[in-house]
Amino acid sequence: DVKVTQSSRYLVKRTGEKVFLECVQDMDHENMFWYRQDPGLGLRLIYFSYDVKMKEKGDIPEGYSVSREKKERFSLILESASTNQTSMYLCASSRPGTYSYEQYFGPGTRLTVT
Amino acid sequence: AQSVTQLDSHVSVSEGTPVLLRCNYSSSYSPSLFWYVQHPNKGLQLLLKYTSAATLVKGINGFEAEFKKSETSFHLTKPSAHMSDAAEYFCVVSGPYNNNDMRFGAGTRLTVKP
Repeated sequence: DVKVTQSSRYLVKRTGEKVFLECVQDMDHENMFWYRQDPGLGLRLIYFSYDVKMKEKGDIPEGYSVSREKKERFSLILESASTNQTSMYLCASSRPGTYSYEQYFGPGTRLTVT
Repeated sequence: AQSVTQLDSHVSVSEGTPVLLRCNYSSSYSPSLFWYVQHPNKGLQLLLKYTSAATLVKGINGFEAEFKKSETSFHLTKPSAHMSDAAEYFCVVSGPYNNNDMRFGAGTRLTVKP
């Protein structure tokens, strides 16, 4: 059974803290993604990675960075958390190639910044 | 650029009655289209996908969707709602070259009344 796991289900951080969200997949997928989900906005892509150490910005990269040192692990970093980054964060992975390939999602991390 | 519009933010049905969740897409090429479901506090799970084969696509849990190019629609249906269908549903379009650029609708929350 394919699996994408995220390090925390719920996280509460203070404004200005550095925050790390971890994602691990066991499907040997090349592609990995970070999204944030907000009510009424659906999912918006923050960053994606198509290989180790490779990354590309998505639609809303400001205030975030990512790291991919190993194929199975993709980290999202909030350098200095702010209250407007309170959201649900979803990690996904997929095979590379055509646009018919679906993405597989983790359970999400609900981050609250106070 | 491709996009999707989910025409209803909230749909409420009685158990045992049909479900219709509406999605229109915009694309300048032949896209891949997906429906994902998200149960409370869970990640997204793929229900079904269209990838230019049969226009009527069957998915899990009795759901199906029909791709209508002339109407640019990809509505999700189920003949008889079950309480366990209560969730949020996302229509997604992918492409044009690969699945790194998936566009999510804002979501439709389905409520099932006993």
